[in-house]
Amino acid sequence: EAGVAQSPRYKIIEKRQSVAFWCNPISGHATLYWYQQILGQGPKLLIQFQNNGVVDDSQLPKDRFSAERLKGVDSTLKIQPAKLEDSAVYLCASSLVVGDEQYFGPGTRLTVT
Amino acid sequence: GEDVEQSLFLSVREGDSSVINCTYTDSSSTYLYWYKQEPGAGLQLLTYIFSNMDMKQDQRLTVLLNKKDKHLSLRIADTQTGDSAIYFCADLIPNSGNTPLVFGKGTRLSVIA
Repeated sequence: EAGVAQSPRYKIIEKRQSVAFWCNPISGHATLYWYQQILGQGPKLLIQFQNNGVVDDSQLPKDRFSAERLKGVDSTLKIQPAKLEDSAVYLCASSLVVGDEQYFGPGTRLTVT
Repeated sequence: GEDVEQSLFLSVREGDSSVINCTYTDSSSTYLYWYKQEPGAGLQLLTYIFSNMDMKQDQRLTVLLNKKDKHLSLRIADTQTGDSAIYFCADLIPNSGNTPLVFGKGTRLSVIA
């Protein structure tokens, strides 16, 4: 079974630029999560989708971050404009249903200079 | 909100047992998880325990849960150099249909040959 795919693996941008990350969950997984992991910290949930609907986006900085999951499969996370403090690893995870085991992708390491 | 605490570093000799500790605050936790993160990689689920259990053993891994003290531990028997990684404790909080995972900051395990 293929795992969660993410791209790009690394991205370096200047502050105030825009960036987008892509995630392809495990086939058949209805629930998709985006986490932000700042260096030296545990992952923090940004947004949770159930199919193509948002379940929880309470910790998403909505003035600059947006995410969508069209057709309930792939998802993109966008940052516009980026700030220095957005430098982190962005992890995508999926689970079969809400509350089930979450499988994580390798992450996208973002460096904002 | 929920708070999950871990010690940041642990160093052991190869062949010894490692014990990684975690405390949490929310008594409504249903599942508690241990994830492993190797450099440059995503999170790998190692094991989990349901909140009505005291202990779970899985090969070299033993999880102990003291629900009264809200204390979770992961014991790795016969620790190997390949066990060197960051270990995250995570707490699953059921909340109105969404199920966020709350992570600790991670314990960096160094295994000395």
